[in-house]
Amino acid sequence: EAGVAQSPRYKIIEKRQSVAFWCNPISGHATLYWYQQILGQGPKLLIQFQNNGVVDDSQLPKDRFSAERLKGVDSTLKIQPAKLEDSAVYLCASSLQAGGGQPQHFGDGTRLSIL
Amino acid sequence: GENVEQHPSTLSVQEGDSAVIKCTYSDSASNYFPWYKQELGKGPQLIIDIRSNVGEKKDQRIAVTLNKTAKHFSLHITETQPEDSAVYFCAADFGNEKLTFGTGTRLTIIP
Repeated sequence: EAGVAQSPRYKIIEKRQSVAFWCNPISGHATLYWYQQILGQGPKLLIQFQNNGVVDDSQLPKDRFSAERLKGVDSTLKIQPAKLEDSAVYLCASSLQAGGGQPQHFGDGTRLSIL
Repeated sequence: GENVEQHPSTLSVQEGDSAVIKCTYSDSASNYFPWYKQELGKGPQLIIDIRSNVGEKKDQRIAVTLNKTAKHFSLHITETQPEDSAVYFCAADFGNEKLTFGTGTRLTIIP
């Protein structure tokens, strides 16, 4: 089974520019997550989708971050405008369905550097 | 609040010896505890998980133990090999379908 696919792998932009990341979850997985992982830390949840609806976006900085999953499959995460503190790895994960105790499977992430 | 503490932050072990990483959590409502291995430039890979109705689970050289009373769980790796070198993260689901991660342990296996 193919894993979670993310692109691009790396992105370098200047502060105040915009950037977008793409994620394709494991086929059949209803739940999709975006995490931010700052160097030396564990992943921190930004947003959770169940099919094409948002379940939890309480940790998403909505003044600059947005995400969508229009058809309940692929998802995009956007940052506009970027700040220096947004430098991190952005990880996408998916799980078969919602509900406690569902294993989450991660992609390899997009490493974002803000100059 | 929901918090997971992980120790140690770094661990060096002679090849063939055992490695143990410990995590404690704050909320007794937690019911699912996965462990992830993250290699350089890769995403976290699920290596083992345990649910609150089980005290111990083993998969070849890897085992996880859970003590719900003390609110802590541990990862045990036996007969360590160079390819076990990575950063390991524990996590907890506090019953709200979200994972809270520990701060990670950098494990180095010394040949």
